[in-house]
Amino acid sequence: EAGVVQSPRYKIIEKKQPVAFWCNPISGHNTLYWYRQNLGQGPELLIRYENEEAVDDSQLPKDRFSAERLKGVDSTLKIQPAELGDSAVYLCASSSSGHQNTEAFFGQGTRLTVV
Amino acid sequence: KQEVTQIPAALSVPEGENLVLNCSFTDSAIYNLQWFRQDPGKGLTSLLLIQSSQREQTSGRLNASLDKSSGRSTLYIAASQPGDSATYLCAVFRGYGGATNKLIFGTGTLLAVQP
Repeated sequence: EAGVVQSPRYKIIEKKQPVAFWCNPISGHNTLYWYRQNLGQGPELLIRYENEEAVDDSQLPKDRFSAERLKGVDSTLKIQPAELGDSAVYLCASSSSGHQNTEAFFGQGTRLTVV
Repeated sequence: KQEVTQIPAALSVPEGENLVLNCSFTDSAIYNLQWFRQDPGKGLTSLLLIQSSQREQTSGRLNASLDKSSGRSTLYIAASQPGDSATYLCAVFRGYGGATNKLIFGTGTLLAVQP
């Protein structure tokens, strides 16, 4: 069974340009997370989806970040315009909801460099 | 506010040694705790998940314990190998529902196993 798939793996853009990241969660997982990991830090949650509904976006900088999860499967995270401080690894994770075992599985991440 | 701390920040050991990584958290009202491994430039690989009602979990040479009352977890690695070199992250899952449904990570322990 395929794990969480993210693309692209790496992205280098100039500041003020837009960028988008894509995530395909594990089949059957209703919960999808986007995390951001700065260098030397642990990941921090940006947004959580339950099916197609964003149920926690309190940490998402809404002036420049947006996300969507159409049909409750794949998800896209967008930054427009990007700033130098957005350089980080963006991780997507998924888990099955409604069960006691809420083990989260992560993708390989997208390493964003803003120059 | 839940805070997760991992000690030591970095550890170097010779091959074959048994070692212990420590994780502490400030709020004992957690649903579960998960240990991850992260190789350089890669995403997170789930190692072990301990439910709040459990005291330990084992997988191969890895054993993780959980003491909710003291807010501590340890990851024990037996007979370490150079291939174990990576960053090890622990994360607590605060609860189910609302803004608490997310993993809160420590900053990780960078492990180097010398051949």
